[in-house]
Amino acid sequence: EAGVTQSPRYAVLQEGQAVSFWCDPISGHDTLYWYQQPRDQGPQLLVYFRDEAVIDNSQLPSDRFSAVRPKGTNSTLKIQSAKQGDTATYLCASSFNAETLYFGSGTRLTVL
Amino acid sequence: QQQVRQSPQSLTVWEGETAILNCSYEDSTFNYFPWYQQFPGEGPALLISIRSVSDKKEDGRFTIFFNKREKKLSLHITDSQPGDSATYFCAASEETNSAGNKLTFGIGTRVLVRP
Repeated sequence: EAGVTQSPRYAVLQEGQAVSFWCDPISGHDTLYWYQQPRDQGPQLLVYFRDEAVIDNSQLPSDRFSAVRPKGTNSTLKIQSAKQGDTATYLCASSFNAETLYFGSGTRLTVL
Repeated sequence: QQQVRQSPQSLTVWEGETAILNCSYEDSTFNYFPWYQQFPGEGPALLISIRSVSDKKEDGRFTIFFNKREKKLSLHITDSQPGDSATYFCAASEETNSAGNKLTFGIGTRVLVRP
């Protein structure tokens, strides 16, 4: 069974540029999560979906971040105007019902 | 507000020793406590978990001890191996079937096992 797939693996951009991260969850998993993991810290939840519906986006900086999961399968997280403070690894995870979260390898973002 | 705290931040043990990782939490509604293991360049992977109705969970060399009254838990890694060198995250959630599994993670403990 394929795991959670994320792309790109790395991204380097200047402040003010936009970037998108893509996630393909495990087939059949109805819940998808986006976490931000700064260097040497634990993952911090940004947003999560049940099917195509947003369940909680209270920690998503809504002025610059957006996330969609239009068909309840793949998801895209976008940063409109990146800041140096956004430098982190962005992790996608999926689960079936409310069970174990399976994480992808993440996208490591560096904002110069 | 740090809802899940971990200590120590880093830990070095010799091969064959027992590593003890500590975790505490604040939210009394938390009832599910997984520990995740993360290697450099990879995402976290579930290692072992416990629910608040239990006070101990064992899986091979990994054991969770849970104290609900004190809101504390610990992960014991017995007979530590160099391959156990990784960062370990304690996490917590109020597990509900209707709203997914919204995990709150600690800062992690970096474990190094020397041969």
